[in-house]
Amino acid sequence: AQTVTQSQPEMSVQEAETVTLSCTYDTSENNYYLFWYKQPPSRQMILVIRQEAYKQQNATENRFSVNFQKAAKSFSLKISDSQLGDTAMYFCAFVANAGGTSYGKLTFGQGTILTVHP
Amino acid sequence: ETGVTQSPTHLIKTRGQQVTLRCSSQSGHNTVSWYQQALGQGPQFIFQYYREEENGRGNFPPRFSGLQFPNYSSELNVNALELDDSALYLCASSLRIGYGYTFGSGTRLTVV
Repeated sequence: AQTVTQSQPEMSVQEAETVTLSCTYDTSENNYYLFWYKQPPSRQMILVIRQEAYKQQNATENRFSVNFQKAAKSFSLKISDSQLGDTAMYFCAFVANAGGTSYGKLTFGQGTILTVHP
Repeated sequence: ETGVTQSPTHLIKTRGQQVTLRCSSQSGHNTVSWYQQALGQGPQFIFQYYREEENGRGNFPPRFSGLQFPNYSSELNVNALELDDSALYLCASSLRIGYGYTFGSGTRLTVV
């Protein structure tokens, strides 16, 4: 079974600064994907960034980048130039790229509430 | 390109009743998954449908059941509602594993 752990229940940052959210996971799979999702008060889960485990290069999407350490099973999210609209709950998620009864199952962490202050 | 739409947005039911939640997947997506999210927690996987067949299930009792239709829309049915079923129910669709999942805004179910 896979587990995802986010050890920071809450984080805060000043507008325009940089913040890093932590995520660790545990799995015996070798082929998988990792995601960061953002959930604002509107409730809709929005995909921020994805990482394929077999790619060593860290994914980047505009102001968002990840630090993927496969051996350490760590997947942190860095948000640069933070904006007020980044305020939300952030979830780290894992999916194995393998068959079986849980094929396609997303396993989420507990979430980190990020507040961006003006 | 349409996103994932869920209905209703809010629902209040009495313990013991039955409820049906609906989800229209994003255009072209043939896989639909349902998640239960308790307040302040991460979503928990209920089950997944691929081309009208259930092909994955989480740790939920049989009173949680579902359907997927030929147009890939889906329903989640919950029988004999319990107070602990109160949660946000999220539907997500995808085309291929790992490409990411598109989520709807959810249905907030309150059981009283």
